[in-house]
Amino acid sequence: EADIYQTPRYLVIGTGKKITLECSQTMGHDKMYWYQQDPGMELHLIHYSYGVNSTEKGDLSSESTVSRIRTEHFPLTLESARPSHTSQYLCASSERGQGGSPLHFGNGTRLTVT
Amino acid sequence: KNQVEQSPQSLIILEGKNCTLQCNYTVSPFSNLRWYKQDTGRGPVSLTIMTFSENTKSNGRYTATLDADTKQSSLHITASQLSDSASYICVVSDRGSTLGRLYFGRGTQLTVWP
Repeated sequence: EADIYQTPRYLVIGTGKKITLECSQTMGHDKMYWYQQDPGMELHLIHYSYGVNSTEKGDLSSESTVSRIRTEHFPLTLESARPSHTSQYLCASSERGQGGSPLHFGNGTRLTVT
Repeated sequence: KNQVEQSPQSLIILEGKNCTLQCNYTVSPFSNLRWYKQDTGRGPVSLTIMTFSENTKSNGRYTATLDADTKQSSLHITASQLSDSASYICVVSDRGSTLGRLYFGRGTQLTVWP
């Protein structure tokens, strides 16, 4: 089983609050990703990073931001949460680019914004 | 438009029975196709990966097939167990860039009853 950890597992928060979803991996992977997943729908890439100080936006527009100060850590921040941000957020890492090696996923953070 | 379509959307089978899940894709160019298993409340876990030249690949009771000409893949589960209850996601990677963009299906929700 992959060593990638997400906290918290569940988060219920009010509108307008600032939140940070944590993601850490111990595999030494340079490549890390954030996906958004709604029930019955496909995963959508919202952010990715190919190394320290490197971050890019994904295919799905998101109001969240990410940072990559350390190889093992890839947190996602929402400055002002809204009900439309309610979703499951999955963090992943890979040895090579996402097309070239399997993704190792964390168990996700289920975010509910009231 | 690059797409990945999975069928059926959901499936219920009795423990011990076999089943086959389908994946049709229109992604072009094509690099590889992966099947992931996602248990409820967990992140997806890679089951198999197949490249253009591979027709079949097995992982225990899971056997994936690929027909690159018709752009179809199937995942066959033999002698199902209760622990097979999960969502099975088909993911196709293009080779249009060194980063290999991924296209996700919406998954087939499999329920195995005792």
